[in-house]
Amino acid sequence: RKEVEQDPGPFNVPEGATVAFNCTYSNSASQSFFWYRQDCRKEPKLLMSVYSSGNEDGRFTAQLNRASQYISLLIRDSKLSDSATYLCVVPPGGYNKLIFGAGTRLAVHP
Amino acid sequence: NAGVTQTPKFQVLKTGQSMTLQCAQDMNHEYMSWYRQDPGMGLRLIHYSVGAGITDQGEVPNGYNVSRSTTEDFPLRLLSAAPSQTSVYFCASKLGESGRRRSYGYTFGSGTRLTVV
Repeated sequence: RKEVEQDPGPFNVPEGATVAFNCTYSNSASQSFFWYRQDCRKEPKLLMSVYSSGNEDGRFTAQLNRASQYISLLIRDSKLSDSATYLCVVPPGGYNKLIFGAGTRLAVHP
Repeated sequence: NAGVTQTPKFQVLKTGQSMTLQCAQDMNHEYMSWYRQDPGMGLRLIHYSVGAGITDQGEVPNGYNVSRSTTEDFPLRLLSAAPSQTSVYFCASKLGESGRRRSYGYTFGSGTRLTVV
C-alpha cells in the first residue's frame, strides 16, 4: 500500500458545482496534513493546513478522520480558476520530510 | 523578498555529464528539500536538510549529492547524468520546528526541467 493515496481523477465539473477529493494515508504517527495546489507546469503551492479535525477557508474545507486515516478536501461553488491538480501531503511523524500523493486533477468547465 | 530561487529553469544534458542545480532562499528557513516530479508519480524526496551542515537522504537519493554550507543555499549535484534522471526538480524550504512556531508547509521554487539524452 502506498503511504499516501488519492482519488485518481480527473474530475470534470461545471462551474458552481461542489466537488470532494479523498486521500488516505498509512502512517498513523502523522499529526498534520496539507493540501497543495499545482497548476500545469508550475510549482506546488500550499492551499490548506489541517492540524485537528478540520479547517475551513472560504469555499474550501478540509476534514481529517484520524481513526480511518483519511483526509478530504471539499470545494464549494467551483470556479474556472480552481482547475488544477490537488496534492495531498503527509509529514510522517516530522516536518523535515513530506510524502506527496500523486494528485487529483480537477477541470472546471463553463 | 525573492522566496525560493532555482536555476537553471531548463537544462539538457548528455548521458554521463555532471551538473549542479542551484537553489537559494532568502527567508532564513532552516529546512530545505529537493524533490523530483515524474508523470503519474507525484513528488518524491531526493535529499533534505534541517540546517546548515546537516543533510540526509530521502526516498530516491541515488545519483545525487547535496551539501548545505549556508542557510541560504542547497545545491543538488548530479554525478553522472542518466536518462532516468529526466524529470522536473523542485527545491523547497520552510521554517524549522523550534519552540511553539506553527509548522506551516513548504514554499517551493519554480522548478528546473531537466532532460538527459
